Amino acid sequence: KNQVEQSPQSLIILEGKNCTLQCNYTVSPFSNLRWYKQDTGRGPVSLTIMTFSENTKSNGRYTATLDADTKQSSLHITASQLSDSASYICVVSDRGSTLGRLYFGRGTQLTVWP
Amino acid sequence: EADIYQTPRYLVIGTGKKITLECSQTMGHDKMYWYQQDPGMELHLIHYSYGVNSTEKGDLSSESTVSRIRTEHFPLTLESARPSHTSQYLCASSGNRSTDTQYFGPGTRLTVL
Repeated sequence: KNQVEQSPQSLIILEGKNCTLQCNYTVSPFSNLRWYKQDTGRGPVSLTIMTFSENTKSNGRYTATLDADTKQSSLHITASQLSDSASYICVVSDRGSTLGRLYFGRGTQLTVWP
Repeated sequence: EADIYQTPRYLVIGTGKKITLECSQTMGHDKMYWYQQDPGMELHLIHYSYGVNSTEKGDLSSESTVSRIRTEHFPLTLESARPSHTSQYLCASSGNRSTDTQYFGPGTRLTVL
């Protein structure tokens, strides 16, 4: 069964600190992996996308890594800001259909305190 | 900022009412999607479309229906709302490549009393 598991479920950090969010998946055949940021009451916004051949991708203070062999990804946030408080969702796409079906994790709820 | 819009943002209605959630995008995307999301849970695909006059059901069974008469417009309709339909509904669109990003609208928070 294709699944995406994220950890931790929630995380509280102080402003300025770094943190790392984890994503494990069993989706096969793998096409690509995305990290989305979803603010409360809003739709998700794409942060990074990585294909099979990419093992790291950065977007400002966000750096995603991918290990396609172990089917693991991480999202590292550097020098956190209050505006980073949101849910971070790992999304994996398969290449077994023309739709490019997306499998969503439940997200990690990050809270940044001043 | 993605050019995809949803109205209304919030809707509170009584059981048995017919409702239509609007979604429109100005990016010329062929693919459009509707997702349902409960608090703290993952998004579930309920409908999608490859283009005009194309509609398909997603992974999660839903009593809602959709139509795609114009490329930019993908409304979702509930003929008779029930409390079990209370949820957040997110519309998205993307280009045709599997690596194209899905752009999401702000969502409609539906509450059925």
